[in-house]
Amino acid sequence: GAVVSQHPSWVICKSGTSVKIECRSLDFQATTMFWYRQFPKQSLMLMATSNEGSKATYEQGVEKDKFLINHASLTLSTLTVTSAHPEDSSFYICSATSGAGTDTQYFGPGTRLTVL
Amino acid sequence: AQSVTQLGSHVSVSEGALVLLRCNYSSSVPPYLFWYVQYPNQGLQLLLKYTSAATLVKGINGFEAEFKKSETSFHLTKPSAHMSDAAEYFCAVSVTGNQFYFGTGTSLTVIP
Repeated sequence: GAVVSQHPSWVICKSGTSVKIECRSLDFQATTMFWYRQFPKQSLMLMATSNEGSKATYEQGVEKDKFLINHASLTLSTLTVTSAHPEDSSFYICSATSGAGTDTQYFGPGTRLTVL
Repeated sequence: AQSVTQLGSHVSVSEGALVLLRCNYSSSVPPYLFWYVQYPNQGLQLLLKYTSAATLVKGINGFEAEFKKSETSFHLTKPSAHMSDAAEYFCAVSVTGNQFYFGTGTSLTVIP
């Protein structure tokens, strides 16, 4: 149980285009989902926290207009990288919890974004 | 504020030897503590977690970790390393159970 999927697993796009990444909880309802960014050989950096039906809370330094997060249902959150640039190339990982105070996050397999 | 420090970005052990990956945390309130493993180009897999129950926590794949409040540590150990243990390991701390703060990771190499 507690499986989180991401789609796509790998995407290459041209500079200036927008890319949408989906994060789904397959066998549980995820009241809270998180988006992380990971650079090569580095740790995960929390980008934002999203609760179903409300606006995402972004970490300091993360551009909310560039990284649009939507959590429209209890099983789906999307991250859209708008007007992507090469410096946005990274590994994006989502995670989900099943309720307030739940102590475990379940992570998706990640999406590798390469912006040319 | 919460934070995690992982000492040693790279650890190498021989197959069959003891694995010890260090994690120290900082938290103003009793934390939840986690160890995750990441294989190349994959997401994170939960190894084990401490949530204020037993201080010695056993996880998957023979790993265990001990919560030591006096030392603010949560070191990960495994008695005998296996080749398949080679991966990146992350320690994480959480207070609310929601927001996680990760250490910088430790890359484990297992030498045949």
